[in-house]
Amino acid sequence: GAVVSQHPSRVICKSGTSVKIECRSLDFQATTMFWYRQFPKKSLMLMATSNEGSKATYEQGVEKDKFLINHASLTLSTLTVTSAHPEDSSFYICSAPLHSGLAGRVDTQYFGPGTRLTVL
Amino acid sequence: AQTVTQSQPEMSVQEAETVTLSCTYDTSESDYYLFWYKQPPSRQMILVIRQEAYKQQNATENRFSVNFQKAAKSFSLKISDSQLGDAAMYFCAYRALNTGNQFYFGTGTSLTVIP
Repeated sequence: GAVVSQHPSRVICKSGTSVKIECRSLDFQATTMFWYRQFPKKSLMLMATSNEGSKATYEQGVEKDKFLINHASLTLSTLTVTSAHPEDSSFYICSAPLHSGLAGRVDTQYFGPGTRLTVL
Repeated sequence: AQTVTQSQPEMSVQEAETVTLSCTYDTSESDYYLFWYKQPPSRQMILVIRQEAYKQQNATENRFSVNFQKAAKSFSLKISDSQLGDAAMYFCAYRALNTGNQFYFGTGTSLTVIP
């Protein structure tokens, strides 16, 4: 099946610094990617939709100036947590859809392995 | 707005037995997908099974099957012959066909398999 990678898998940073997380679709192209945040033993919360060639679409309540998203190519999206604070500590997951079937109707969402961010 | 509800935060099953995880959803759409994803301790999300709303036949993948009741907006997952490797968090997810690729996830059910 298709593979989505994330880098780094874990990062520890000091409060006030910025952290960049990369999401790559390794063997398929994705015009859209999604960024989620997951708290311990909780569900995935959609943060934003990353669109190649255009601005990201943020979910209500997500600060777009704090969580910068750049969809640089058809295989790469980055999430930058700017001026990180301890409350930003979380598990961040990206996903990318792979379309198949007639007119691409059928799609399967492939998830990256996640990035654990710890802000001291 | 679409909501997905999993009313069982935790479930347990004896190895080799059968367990059913519940999921209900709310939508005004007529065409959509429903999914069950598994998240083991590694945190990697793994697709278990997918159901297209226009299909009346329940999806089946080896030991995993669903009971899709469209009128009741219910989508339960049955795991037969449970194995130790089935222990994980299970998330039910919904995606509308015509409103983008966003997934809406339920709150998850933690499944324990007892040897």
